Amino acid sequence: DQQVKQNSPSLSVQEGRISILNCDYTNSMFDYFLWYKKYPAEGPTFLISISSIKDKNEDGRFTVFLNKSAKHLSLHIVPSQPGDSAVYFCAATPRSNTGKLIFGQGTTLQVKP
Amino acid sequence: DAMVIQNPRYQVTQFGKPVTLSCSQTLNHNVMYWYQQKSSQAPKLLFHYYDKDFNNEADTPDNFQSRRPNTSFCFLDIRSPGLGDAAMYLCATSKGRDYLAKNIQYFGAGTRLSVL
Repeated sequence: DQQVKQNSPSLSVQEGRISILNCDYTNSMFDYFLWYKKYPAEGPTFLISISSIKDKNEDGRFTVFLNKSAKHLSLHIVPSQPGDSAVYFCAATPRSNTGKLIFGQGTTLQVKP
Repeated sequence: DAMVIQNPRYQVTQFGKPVTLSCSQTLNHNVMYWYQQKSSQAPKLLFHYYDKDFNNEADTPDNFQSRRPNTSFCFLDIRSPGLGDAAMYLCATSKGRDYLAKNIQYFGAGTRLSVL
């Protein structure tokens, strides 16, 4: 049973437009949600996070929205740039504070010039 | 630059032949993790060390073992690799227990394991 799901394997947007990456979760006991970005031949790098008690967190071009009633979060990138082309992973930390991250399968974003 | 380094980047082994993957870190982080990622799937936590305290995930096969001889190094040992163990193996670190609630992990580039 997959607790964190990214149902869109890929997304293609035009440079300058908005990219919206989606993530759904099934466990209400998650404490934090995080987005990681991964370029080819590199490890995932932390992008932005949101506490389960918040509904929005913004950092420059990146905004994460959390809808607890729908158990859904999304990452908005505005404006999208070709350098944003990467795989984006949604992840969650269980409230048990064991140090565990539970990842989604990832969404490959392609930003076209 | 402080970083997480995994060696080798690519590893080929034979069915049933033990293999060891290596991870080192210059971040001086207390926690080190090993993840397995199969093609188009989510990275899956195998185990982690908080200092010398080993924490195994319940569904991690016994075939997978780990060693952490000091703060900087952590090894993943696969005792008898099967074809199903072919995957990308990712090592990660985090600062420590105080930071676990937010749990920002820093990843190496991974080792891609092939089993022939």
